[in-house]
Amino acid sequence: QKEVEQDPGPLSVPEGAIVSLNCTYSNSAFQYFMWYRQYSRKGPELLMYTYSSGNKEDGRFTAQVDKSSKYISLFIRDSQPSDSATYLCAMSALPRGGSNYKLTFGKGTLLTVNP
Amino acid sequence: DSGVTQTPKHLITATGQRVTLRCSPRSGDLSVYWYQQSLDQGLQFLIQYYNGEERAKGNILERFSAQQFPDLHSELNLSSLELGDSALYFCASSRGAGNEQFFGPGTRLTVL
Repeated sequence: QKEVEQDPGPLSVPEGAIVSLNCTYSNSAFQYFMWYRQYSRKGPELLMYTYSSGNKEDGRFTAQVDKSSKYISLFIRDSQPSDSATYLCAMSALPRGGSNYKLTFGKGTLLTVNP
Repeated sequence: DSGVTQTPKHLITATGQRVTLRCSPRSGDLSVYWYQQSLDQGLQFLIQYYNGEERAKGNILERFSAQQFPDLHSELNLSSLELGDSALYFCASSRGAGNEQFFGPGTRLTVL
């Protein structure tokens, strides 16, 4: 079983739709959860960063973490064509001494928002 | 623009050769991370340096090595290259122990 599972899609939605992206994980030590957006042939761009369980909202984006279910989500409201990209979930455990925060990534979900 | 720079953008080389990828972290960031991204494996952590010292190793091959210099820039050295090493290589940086990693634009390596 992979540590982080993410449906690769592709996911195609009309402009203005609410998009839901999800990841599941198996490592109960994960404490930090992130969502990155990656446009084609570009570097991943950090969208949301959350610690432990709960919700976090930033503009049109909402990140949810349910540690009891080992499940994280990213919601995009009023989706725009410019949101078309690959969305990667990432997570890490609390390091034991030192500054080791290696990220374990899902494989990414390709999202297309159609005008 | 994340503030992380990587050179070169593209590298095309032959099997058996050696290449060096360079990364400059954001101003003030002490940690540098290297990742490899391929279609089948996704983004895989290779190695982390913190203020010049190696802190963690991931799925890094013995043919690969890295270092972080006193000015905090980092280099990833790939030797005895194989076709399977063709991938995107990303560098990320973060403040000290902070977990928010910011990625550079990547170096696309093609091994022919």
